[in-house]
Amino acid sequence: EVQLVESGGGLVQPGGSLRLSCAASGFTFGSYEMNWVRQTPGKGLEWVSYISSSGYNIYQAPSVKGRFTVSRDNAKNSLYLRMNSLRAEDTAVYYCARGFGLTGRTFDYWGQGTLVTVSS
Amino acid sequence: DIQMTQSPSSLSASVGDRVTITCRASQTIRNYLAWFQQKPGKAPKFLIYDVSSLQSGVPSKFSGSGFGTDFTLTITSLQPEDFATYYCQQYNTYPYTFGQGTKLEIK
Repeated sequence: EVQLVESGGGLVQPGGSLRLSCAASGFTFGSYEMNWVRQTPGKGLEWVSYISSSGYNIYQAPSVKGRFTVSRDNAKNSLYLRMNSLRAEDTAVYYCARGFGLTGRTFDYWGQGTLVTVSS
Repeated sequence: DIQMTQSPSSLSASVGDRVTITCRASQTIRNYLAWFQQKPGKAPKFLIYDVSSLQSGVPSKFSGSGFGTDFTLTITSLQPEDFATYYCQQYNTYPYTFGQGTKLEIK
């Protein structure tokens, strides 16, 4: 059974940093593209970042480019999102999601999400 | 960015009804469109990809159609478990964007 389990969310002050993790199991992690998607009540679902199976190709949403960094450790079956210079508008539930199909740019399995709250 | 606009934003229907949700893209996305179902407090569930292909395990009561900029999700014979929020997502062009959602409620 495919499982994705996020961790690392919490309360952080504006300008602060946080690192999210996603532990994958039930599939060959190193063979799949992975993504981070976030959800806020106000803006709905927003794709955040994509990383290819090897980690060589990375794409980020314009709203987080230069502040967030996605990475992966295929030996540990883990995906990461390093978030710097956090803003109030980054407050959201963050999901890791497995890429589907040839493009890897839609998402067939999602974790349960981890809540990030940016507030003073 | 490509804007994805869903209509209606909310919809009331009865058990047994057939409903259709529309998703319009601000520019062509060819056939790179997916649909998701989300229930409160849960992650989205992958239903349909490439406009009309059903994900494994998704019942055939769900169907999708369209091409280019205009797409629809149809759900037949509504059951209580189908009442949820539905989102479309384009994956033709970076950044990959979602519609704002359509909340399907029991009448």
